[in-house]
Amino acid sequence: DTGVSQNPRHKITKRGQNVTFRCDPISEHNRLYWYRQTLGQGPEFLTYFQNEAQLEKSRLLSDRFSAERPKGSFSTLEIQRTEQGDSAMYLCASSLGTGLQETQYFGPGTRLLVL
Amino acid sequence: GESVGLHLPTLSVQEGDNSIINCAYSNSASDYFIWYKQESGKGPQFIIDIRSNMDKRQGQRVTVLLNKTVKHLSLQIAATQPGDSAVYFCAETPNTGNQFYFGTGTSLTVIP
Repeated sequence: DTGVSQNPRHKITKRGQNVTFRCDPISEHNRLYWYRQTLGQGPEFLTYFQNEAQLEKSRLLSDRFSAERPKGSFSTLEIQRTEQGDSAMYLCASSLGTGLQETQYFGPGTRLLVL
Repeated sequence: GESVGLHLPTLSVQEGDNSIINCAYSNSASDYFIWYKQESGKGPQFIIDIRSNMDKRQGQRVTVLLNKTVKHLSLQIAATQPGDSAVYFCAETPNTGNQFYFGTGTSLTVIP
C-alpha cells in the first residue's frame, strides 16, 4: 500500500453516462497525476496538478474529461458522455512536489467498464 | 512522441534463477528512469530508480543498469521468487518535466 487511495475501485456504466473518480494522494505530496492504462499497455499520462493548479494536460484528455483538485489535496476525474473506448484503468499517482523528475507513487486504480 | 519499448513481452524463469528484463528508450533527453512492478488488478509499485549520472544502482535483490550510449535499461532480479511474478514496466522522463513515459511491459512468470 503506497498511501495513495482511489475510489471507487471498479465502475460499470452505460455509454453516455457521466462518471467521477476520486484520488487521495499521500498526505504530504503536493503533486498529483492522472494516468490511463488500457489492457496490455503501460500507463499513459493524462494530467497533473501542483497543489490546486492543473499544470499540464495530455492531448489524450478530450473535452469530455475534466480533472479538479480544488483544495490541493484530493482530486476528481470526471468523464462526461462516456464512450466504450473510455474503458480502461484510471490510475492516480502523487509525488512530493519539490523538484523535477520525482518518484511517483501510484494508487490501486479505478477500473472503468463502459457498456 | 516518446518511445519506450521492451525487447521481450514475456519471460518465464525457474524459481531461484536470476531474471533480466530489458528496456529501450528513444529520447536522449531522458535522464531519470524508474522500474515499476504491477500485479494483476493493482497499481504500479515502485521498485528502483536511476538517474543518468549513474550506470548501475542496486537495491534489495534488484539491480538496474543504464547504458546511455545505446539508450538501454535493464532490471536484474536475483533469486527470483514466485512473488516476483508480475508485469514490469520501465518509465522514463526527460530533464524538462514531470511526465513519465511507460513502455508496454514485460510479463514475468516464475515457475516453482
